Amino acid sequence: QQQVKQSPQSLIVQKGGIPIINCAYENTAFDYFPWYQQFPGKGPALLIAIRPDVSEKKEGRFTISFNKSAKQFSLHIMDSQPGDSATYFCAASIRGYSTLTFGKGTMLLVSP
Amino acid sequence: DVKVTQSSRYLVKRTGEKVFLECVQDMDHENMFWYRQDPGLGLRLIYFSYDVKMKEKGDIPEGYSVSREKKERFSLILESASTNQTSMYLCASSFSRDRATSTDTQYFGPGTRLTVL
Repeated sequence: QQQVKQSPQSLIVQKGGIPIINCAYENTAFDYFPWYQQFPGKGPALLIAIRPDVSEKKEGRFTISFNKSAKQFSLHIMDSQPGDSATYFCAASIRGYSTLTFGKGTMLLVSP
Repeated sequence: DVKVTQSSRYLVKRTGEKVFLECVQDMDHENMFWYRQDPGLGLRLIYFSYDVKMKEKGDIPEGYSVSREKKERFSLILESASTNQTSMYLCASSFSRDRATSTDTQYFGPGTRLTVL
C-alpha cells in the first residue's frame, strides 16, 4: 500500500520555468513532510521540509505548499536552472517515529 | 559534515552467494537505515536500527538480514542472493534529536549498485 503518492513521474521544463511536483497522503498521523533531492550517482539529501501547522515554507527558490484538509503538499521551484535537474522525493513521517515513507520520485530535467 | 560511507559503489555477485553490504557513519547517530531504490518504485525501507544490536523490519525485509554490532556500522546481508535483488542499495543515518517531533534529517550514503547474475 503506497502511503505517499507522488506525481508526475517525470517532468521537463525550460530554464526559468516553475516545475511543480505534487504529493498526496492518506494517513492523518503524518506530521512532518520533507523533500529530498538526488543527483545522479549520489544519495538523496534533504532539500526542504514542512510541518502541518503552516501552509507554506520558502527557502531560496524552493517552496513547499501544504494543504492539510486536502492532505496534499507540493514543491515549487522558482526560476529553475539546469543545475536543478535531479530526482525529487517527497516523504512523510509520523510523530514519535524516525522512519520516513517516501513517494516514488520525480525525475526533473531543466533544459538550457 | 556528516559522512555516510558504503563499502562498495558497484558489486557483481552470483545467484546463491552470501552478500555483505557495509555502511559506516561518523556522526554518532543512533538511527541507521537500509533502503533499496528501483526505477519507478522510489525508496523502499528494508530494515532500520535505532540502537546497537537493535533492528526493526521495514517494508520489504524478505530475503535480507542486518547486523549492528557497533553504533557506527550497519550491515545488510543477503543470505542467498537472487536476481530480483539486483538494485541500488542506499544506507542512511539520523540523530534522534527529538523523538517527539520526528524531524530527524536522514543522511544518505552514495549507494551500492548490486548486480546479481
